[in-house]
Amino acid sequence: EAEVAQSPRYKITEKSQAVAFWCDPISGHATLYWYRQILGQGPELLVQFQDESVVDDSQLPKDRFSAERLKGVDSTLKIQPAELGDSAMYLCASSLGKDRWTEAFFGQGTRLTVV
Amino acid sequence: QKEVEQNSGPLSVPEGAIASLNCTYSDRGSQSFFWYRQYSGKSPELIMSIYSNGDKEDGRFTAQLNKASQYVSLLIRDSQPSDSATYLCAVKRPRGSTLGRLYFGRGTQLTVWP
Repeated sequence: EAEVAQSPRYKITEKSQAVAFWCDPISGHATLYWYRQILGQGPELLVQFQDESVVDDSQLPKDRFSAERLKGVDSTLKIQPAELGDSAMYLCASSLGKDRWTEAFFGQGTRLTVV
Repeated sequence: QKEVEQNSGPLSVPEGAIASLNCTYSDRGSQSFFWYRQYSGKSPELIMSIYSNGDKEDGRFTAQLNKASQYVSLLIRDSQPSDSATYLCAVKRPRGSTLGRLYFGRGTQLTVWP
């Protein structure tokens, strides 16, 4: 069964360090999302890609966060420098295409702890 | 006003009962609606999608959509302890093109006790 792959599963980093997360969507999925989920809350969108283009990064803290999807396949989300408040689950999801009806499927997530 | 509102619960039902989970959304232009199940410490798993008014059934799950009332619900029949999880309601809004942004509620925690 096709899955969204994410790595690492867990990451502990010190405040002010840089950290990066990787996501490989389901093959053929053009839309890729990065979400952040704080414990007890629903996922919040950080950035949405359509192929290699960013279509929504309005909630991405651009002073410290960056995201890229250079070849329109896998993607990297970076935080530099990390802050204590960045501790959360970072979720990647993908959907088939531009059609607004298509469903989004999540990877297993990366649990980030900033100490 | 939040895009998607859910009662955070917890909702507790006995095994074999019907669990009813509710969700309201703010944008009348929303056209796609989803329910995800999330076990503690895990990522969300898609369990139902619904696009038109009425009911959609899949096994023990029934999703209901009422666009006039901006209301979505999920019924779980014959609830099992393994259904104990947080249920997330998600709504996709078109943004002037076919690309939609997916908004999530904060989830309702369901506990099914034996």
